[in-house]
Amino acid sequence: DQQVKQNSPSLSVQEGRISILNCDYTNSMFDYFLWYKKYPAEGPTFLISISSIKDKNEDGRFTVFLNKSAKHLSLHIVPSQPGDSAVYFCAASAGAQKLVFGQGTRLTINP
Amino acid sequence: NAGVTQTPKFQVLKTGQSMTLQCAQDMNHNSMYWYRQDPGMGLRLIYYSASEGTTDKGEVPNGYNVSRLNKREFSLRLESAAPSQTSVYFCASSDRGGLNEQFFGPGTRLTVL
Repeated sequence: DQQVKQNSPSLSVQEGRISILNCDYTNSMFDYFLWYKKYPAEGPTFLISISSIKDKNEDGRFTVFLNKSAKHLSLHIVPSQPGDSAVYFCAASAGAQKLVFGQGTRLTINP
Repeated sequence: NAGVTQTPKFQVLKTGQSMTLQCAQDMNHNSMYWYRQDPGMGLRLIYYSASEGTTDKGEVPNGYNVSRLNKREFSLRLESAAPSQTSVYFCASSDRGGLNEQFFGPGTRLTVL
């Protein structure tokens, strides 16, 4: 039972354009959501998060949107840069210690 | 300030062999975690430790044991390795459990033949 799903294994975007990565969840008890970025041969690094009491959080080029009624989360990257090429994981928690991760989406930014 | 460190970086085992993966953090975090990452599966939690002296099972604990040696160190042991345990293992730590970001180590790539 996959509680957090990233249905797009890969995404290719032109440099300078907007990248939109999507994530769906099934557990209505999740109250905190995070995005992580992972380069090859490195551990994931935290990118941005959002609490369930908000519907948007922005940090520079990165914005996360939360639609609780649809149980949907998205990450927008504007403008996309070559260094953004990585695997992106969304994750969720239900107020406890544990994070549940999605399968990841490989983002490729083309020059 | 090294963050989260893991040893070894790579390991090849034969079926039935045992080994311990080491993890240490220097951020004075209370909580520590072990994940495995497999293609198409994301990161799955094996065990975690909310604080020194406590450990709890995650999503995929079978075949593993853990020890929270002190506040800094959290080790993962495979008593009798199986090919299904071939994976990349990540250790992480955080200050407030799931309500705060987790900081990850660089990973250990384990192959079980």
